[in-house]
Amino acid sequence: KQEVTQIPAALSVPEGENLVLNCSFTDSAIYNLQWFRQDPGKGLTSLLLIQSSQREQTSGRLNASLDKSSGRSTLYIAASQPGDSATYLCAVAASGYSTLTFGKGTMLLVSP
Amino acid sequence: EPEVTQTPSHQVTQMGQEVILRCVPISNHLYFYWYRQILGQKVEFLVSFYNNEISEKSEIFDDQFSVERPDGSNFTLKIRSTKLEDSAMYFCAIRGQGGGEQYFGPGTRLTVT
Repeated sequence: KQEVTQIPAALSVPEGENLVLNCSFTDSAIYNLQWFRQDPGKGLTSLLLIQSSQREQTSGRLNASLDKSSGRSTLYIAASQPGDSATYLCAVAASGYSTLTFGKGTMLLVSP
Repeated sequence: EPEVTQTPSHQVTQMGQEVILRCVPISNHLYFYWYRQILGQKVEFLVSFYNNEISEKSEIFDDQFSVERPDGSNFTLKIRSTKLEDSAMYFCAIRGQGGGEQYFGPGTRLTVT
């Protein structure tokens, strides 16, 4: 059974710092990996999707990497801003149509 | 990004009552998913629905739950007899075109008292 773990559980940084969020998964036979952002009491916003054949994806200040063989992904946030404060979730899919298995998330607080 | 709406945003119900949660994708999609998130816990998969049939379901999705697409657009999740432990955020998701990216609705907060 696939298990997804995210470290750290919470992170507090001052504005402007670059930071890295970590995600690991136990079964490397994934189809893709998706990073989401969740604001308190709200839905999930898709940030980045990495296919299993890719090593990284970039969107603005966000860069996600994938090392499928070691079962790891990182989300790099450059020049963090208070508006980045949210919970970041990592999820993996076993196939293009299958369900997502989620980690518990990293709660990020960026202070001005 | 495909847009998904969910109604109601918040539902309060008494234990034992039936609830119906609705999901409305803005454009036509074939693949739907329901997930839930109990406060402070992981997002968990409930059921996936393709071409008007259940394609996969989790252990959570027992006989108390059902899904249907009654009019070809709305996608509903019904809980027949709610329990206290059904209190959670329920999210509908759709599969986008191409690489399998999933897009989530804003969720329905279900509170069972």
